[in-house]
Amino acid sequence: DADVTQTPRNRITKTGKRIMLECSQTKGHDRMYWYRQDPGLGLRLIYYSFDVKDINKGEISDGYSVSRQAQAKFSLSLESAIPNQTALYFCATSDDHDHRDGRQYFGPGTRLTVL
Amino acid sequence: AQSVSQHNHHVILSEAASLELGCNYSYGGTVNLFWYVQYPGQHLQLLLKYFSGDPLVKGIKGFEAEFIKSKFSFNLRKPSVQWSDTAEYFCAAHGSSNTGKLIFGQGTTLQVKP
Repeated sequence: DADVTQTPRNRITKTGKRIMLECSQTKGHDRMYWYRQDPGLGLRLIYYSFDVKDINKGEISDGYSVSRQAQAKFSLSLESAIPNQTALYFCATSDDHDHRDGRQYFGPGTRLTVL
Repeated sequence: AQSVSQHNHHVILSEAASLELGCNYSYGGTVNLFWYVQYPGQHLQLLLKYFSGDPLVKGIKGFEAEFIKSKFSFNLRKPSVQWSDTAEYFCAAHGSSNTGKLIFGQGTTLQVKP
């Protein structure tokens, strides 16, 4: 969905480096999510935010932090990257109506490789 | 614990073959169910969803899924696949108490041979 963008699309980094992945949306949604996708494990929720002042940990938040700079922006940081954080990362959004149904809109993904 | 399980991890079919991908969920209470598709190099897109009513739901591109409450299942079907259906398919569930969080299955990679 072109309304949800992620930068960068690909990143290769080294162990111990700090990395920030950015997500922007033009859908006007309040709710934003960060997932990581690993082969055979599906998508797992890292963090989610229901509005600018509300940030919550997902099932695998260790080693990650987030910042909700504005309604439209939700950044994911790896303070000190490690190889097992190599994955495909997706940002998603939902609005107050859709959240009750569970529908989310996904960005194109960021492929992160930690050497 | 809430969970979603997809039985098939990698499926290979020839064009025109019929498709059925299994999905089972473990949830207490009301649940909404989804199938998302991820074409190579693209983001996840909603294929179809079930909230209530007719347990047979139809989605885009000729896909359908049947909600069978007694079996806790929501299997995805298509009578005749095309090469362009090659993608990864994710089943997901959302419970009424989850405040917007989706629980995803492990994903099934479908490869359709021309």
